[in-house]
Amino acid sequence: DGGITQSPKYLFRKEGQNVTLSCEQNLNHDAMYWYRQDPGQGLRLIYYSQIVNDFQKGDIAEGYSVSREKKESFPLTVTSAQKNPTAFYLCASSIDTGADTEAFFGQGTRLTVV
Amino acid sequence: LAKTTQPISMDSYEGQEVNITCSHNNIATNDYITWYQQFPSQGPRFIIQGYKTKVTNEVASLFIPADRKSSTLSLPRVSLSDTAVYYCLVGPMNTGFQKLVFGTGTRLLVSP
Repeated sequence: DGGITQSPKYLFRKEGQNVTLSCEQNLNHDAMYWYRQDPGQGLRLIYYSQIVNDFQKGDIAEGYSVSREKKESFPLTVTSAQKNPTAFYLCASSIDTGADTEAFFGQGTRLTVV
Repeated sequence: LAKTTQPISMDSYEGQEVNITCSHNNIATNDYITWYQQFPSQGPRFIIQGYKTKVTNEVASLFIPADRKSSTLSLPRVSLSDTAVYYCLVGPMNTGFQKLVFGTGTRLLVSP
């Protein structure tokens, strides 16, 4: 059953700790993306990757880091430098980065920093 | 990128047709119009995409007038499960999904 999986669904961390969110896809997609969504708001792009071992900053990359060592995996680390990390994080993938392709989203990870 | 404007919210009843209009006055020649649906605490999912005139699939129809400065997503006979946020995205072909902007969308509430 193909799809994109984010884990965990809920995550609680203490302030000042780094935390890594997992994103795995078995759709054989080249492109992967990370978004952040705050309550009542749209999605904001954090990082994207067009191909393995390559990634680019999005609109709000400060305080976040990513890696793309495997085609199917694109983990996001929320570092202690991110001033307001509590949010809903969404991972997506698409065949490539063309705007006319459909993107598939995971179920999201809700991160709460206390 | 073309700026989009959608109503913040809409209310409807089960069985009615719902039309959500998106304004994109500065749409470029090579821009596509794409709609996504997002249920609470889930990721968005693709509904429909078009360039001009009318596109229909099993879920919705997309109407685009000749000047392409607006588009209308039409949901026939909505049910309670259509309660969601609907996003209109406008962007160029083949230059990157990452360039598409998810605004605040339209929050549709379907009541019994």
